[in-house]
Amino acid sequence: AQKITQTQPGMFVQEKEAVTLDCTYDTSDQSYGLFWYKQPSSGEMIFLIYQGSYDEQNATEGRYSLNFQKARKSANLVISASQLGDSAMYFCAMREYQGGSEKLVFGKGTKLTVNP
Amino acid sequence: SAVISQKPSRDICQRGTSLTIQCQVDSQVTMMFWYRQQPGQSLTLIATANQGSEATYESGFVIDKFPISRPNLTFSTLTVSNMSPEDSSIYLCSVGGHRIGDTQYFGPGTRLTVL
Repeated sequence: AQKITQTQPGMFVQEKEAVTLDCTYDTSDQSYGLFWYKQPSSGEMIFLIYQGSYDEQNATEGRYSLNFQKARKSANLVISASQLGDSAMYFCAMREYQGGSEKLVFGKGTKLTVNP
Repeated sequence: SAVISQKPSRDICQRGTSLTIQCQVDSQVTMMFWYRQQPGQSLTLIATANQGSEATYESGFVIDKFPISRPNLTFSTLTVSNMSPEDSSIYLCSVGGHRIGDTQYFGPGTRLTVL
């Protein structure tokens, strides 16, 4: 079974509007971390935001916020006031203990296109 | 966050040859990882590079195909051996701490095309 599920292969948003990218995860651990990364066409992976499983408040980083619903096992990324430079692939990832070590597992990603 | 560089940034290679990718970090890091991203796909962990000992490989990846070195806490290499067109991918070096909440940072990647 997939650990991280991103159901939206592609999303479109108008410049200056907000957009939500979905992410659900599967784990039986109590302690885990959830990350979002952005990958522009250049290929680099840019860290955006982190949410710990024990964090009671949703994480925020500038225009990025994470809508964390633990009972639903979802960690959706919200980008406010979209900019043209936000066009990129977005990956949700989870870090948990597997086989005695910490591993970061990625979803398949969502391609976001911001239209002018 | 650590500054990570990779060499080469891209290469085009002939099948049957090998390529060594270097990853240099500007500070000592606990954990170093190597990922592969095949065209249009997500990232897959190849192995964890352990300083002073053999790398820990994920299922589906073997040392003979992807030998890894990590001579110190700031440097690692990944070799892609006996390449075939299926090895055409972006290879990314990543660093981080050993705690669940430690962010993993990525290098700029190496774009490999095998003809």
